[in-house]
Amino acid sequence: EIVLTQSPATLSLSPGERATLSCGASQSVTTTYLAWYQQKPGLAPRLLIYDASRRATGIPDRFSGSGSGTDFTLTISRLEPEDFAVYYCQQYGISPFTFGGGTKVEIK
Amino acid sequence: EVQLVESGGGLVQPGRSLRLSCAASGFMFDDFAMHWVRQAPGKGLEWVSGITWNSGTVGYADSVKGRFTISRDNAKNSLYLEMKSLRREDTALYYCVRGGQLLHNWFDPWGQGTLVNVSS
Repeated sequence: EIVLTQSPATLSLSPGERATLSCGASQSVTTTYLAWYQQKPGLAPRLLIYDASRRATGIPDRFSGSGSGTDFTLTISRLEPEDFAVYYCQQYGISPFTFGGGTKVEIK
Repeated sequence: EVQLVESGGGLVQPGRSLRLSCAASGFMFDDFAMHWVRQAPGKGLEWVSGITWNSGTVGYADSVKGRFTISRDNAKNSLYLEMKSLRREDTALYYCVRGGQLLHNWFDPWGQGTLVNVSS
């Protein structure tokens, strides 16, 4: 199975700062079949990015995704108060469809 | 509005069985693959199982293979997960999730989940 490793585990930033989250895959992800999800406490995950770089419906353009092969990045250009949450990457190219361990973006 | 509502969770003893259900509405259910994803308390996300629109292809995580069975009833707009030989490590919030036309697709949206607690 493809193992996804997210780094850092925790990112401490202030509102207005730029956040860069990484997701590394143990083998190449098929056809950039990689998604990013945001999860807030007590809520279900929400899709942010699919196919590595496409924003889901209703997602603000401060969220962007990039990468291919084994290295992927989620960037939040300017953190808003509502962006402090846990972020997961997921590959859906090869079953089992694995998730990374998550990056928590917390208020500094 | 797309809605996914899970039910069937609860407290169950190790070794026993449980059946989860997911009622879908607001979209053409038989156009989409569906999945179950779980999250143990305080932990990350784990894909459990997926099924194509016509039940022609199913997939399972190694951790549940042979114990869990996914199925769907398109006439009832419903997804199911039959869980047998439950273990303490199966304790988690189980989410019903919509996929795409194929099994290989992003997951959107997610239900609110149903909690399964395996304990004696």
